[in-house]
Amino acid sequence: IAGITQAPTSQILAAGRRMTLRCTQDMRHNAMYWYRQDLGLGLRLIHYSNTAGTTGKGEVPDGYSVSRANTDDFPLTLASAVPSQTSVYFCASSPGANTGELFFGEGSRLTVL
Amino acid sequence: GQQLNQSPQSMFIQEGEDVSMNCTSSSIFNTWLWYKQDPGEGPVLLIALYKAGELTSNGRLTAQFGITRKDSFLNISASIPSDVGIYFCAGRPQGAQKLVFGQGTRLTINP
Repeated sequence: IAGITQAPTSQILAAGRRMTLRCTQDMRHNAMYWYRQDLGLGLRLIHYSNTAGTTGKGEVPDGYSVSRANTDDFPLTLASAVPSQTSVYFCASSPGANTGELFFGEGSRLTVL
Repeated sequence: GQQLNQSPQSMFIQEGEDVSMNCTSSSIFNTWLWYKQDPGEGPVLLIALYKAGELTSNGRLTAQFGITRKDSFLNISASIPSDVGIYFCAGRPQGAQKLVFGQGTRLTINP
């Protein structure tokens, strides 16, 4: 059982480059989320999607965009990466939008130089 | 936005000791959850709490939803090496749809 699959596992990126982090779930969950994890700050919500075809902004959305063309996939795009976007990014899903019971992927470590 | 204060930030204990950590907020929360993150992995849900005063156990773990709805604690009894990791509290503020996470408690165990 795969659950949530994220790719790439890690990436070093030059500032100004465009980058897409991929996330796929096989649990048929309605809601999906992107978080970033930074030391001392915990997990902060970037964007979310309550159901396929809809997206919403989280706590720290600037510089990021998402799309939800279908139930399974929820890619996160950095249009023009900056060093402050160096972080570990976690994709998560939940059966519904109103449950706090999230299932997380293993993370994508991104370094922007 | 909403903030959760999680403490302590880190703990260094001996194997076999009991552990206690907590989260507090200045506002009311409808849901409290506790997650654990092992090194190099994503967080995994340990316990979910949905009612004020609720006390729930999961093996050696016990968590409570504070009666004021502004706090929660997690206790780990008789710690073992595999308890090492980062523990996050998370809560859903009253009137909000999305979770807020605490800063995490990093647990280190000396054998």
